[in-house]
Amino acid sequence: GQSLEQPSEVTAVEGAIVQINCTYQTSGFYGLSWYQQHDGGAPTFLSYNALDGLEETGRFSSFLSRSDSYGYLLLQELQMKDSASYFCASDRADSSYKLIFGSGTRLLVRP
Amino acid sequence: NAGVTQTPKFQVLKTGQSMTLQCAQDMNHEYMSWYRQDPGMGLRLIHYSVGAGITDQGEVPNGYNVSRSTTEDFPLRLLSAAPSQTSVYFCASSPKSGEVREQYFGPGTRLTVT
Repeated sequence: GQSLEQPSEVTAVEGAIVQINCTYQTSGFYGLSWYQQHDGGAPTFLSYNALDGLEETGRFSSFLSRSDSYGYLLLQELQMKDSASYFCASDRADSSYKLIFGSGTRLLVRP
Repeated sequence: NAGVTQTPKFQVLKTGQSMTLQCAQDMNHEYMSWYRQDPGMGLRLIHYSVGAGITDQGEVPNGYNVSRSTTEDFPLRLLSAAPSQTSVYFCASSPKSGEVREQYFGPGTRLTVT
């Protein structure tokens, strides 16, 4: 089976750095995706990690440790527009064509 | 490109009614999927398709049917609506069937079953 655990809510101050964690239990795990979803909107893809280490895309970075079954999304120089829900999701190496999502972390950015 | 489009945006059904949620994409993507999202929860996969004529079940397929007669369209049919199917439904697509990691989502259909 597959399950992904995330904190339900994180609060941070504008301009700060915040880390959103994701632990997973996925048989045949292949990689970890991150999606952003604003209230009332559609999820949008942010990043993907298949190998251990840090992937950087502008203000956002994503990290994966396969040995610890753990990943995180790092948001730097927080802006008010970063207030949204963030979901980690895993796919599998067995070509099951399924992306399984965690329950999401709601990020509130305060002035 | 319009990307992934879904109709209707909002729908209210009575228990027992049937309806079809429409989804279309103009990016020539092989892979398409349907998810439902309930308050405070992540997205749960209902059905998916890796190409025209090929569909399969996801995590929560009961009460839903799909078909894929063309690359562009992937409708989701509710057979007999139940209050438990009140949710937001998202359709998504991916250019490669073997890589579902990055999916493009439609704007969603907000369904209420009374």
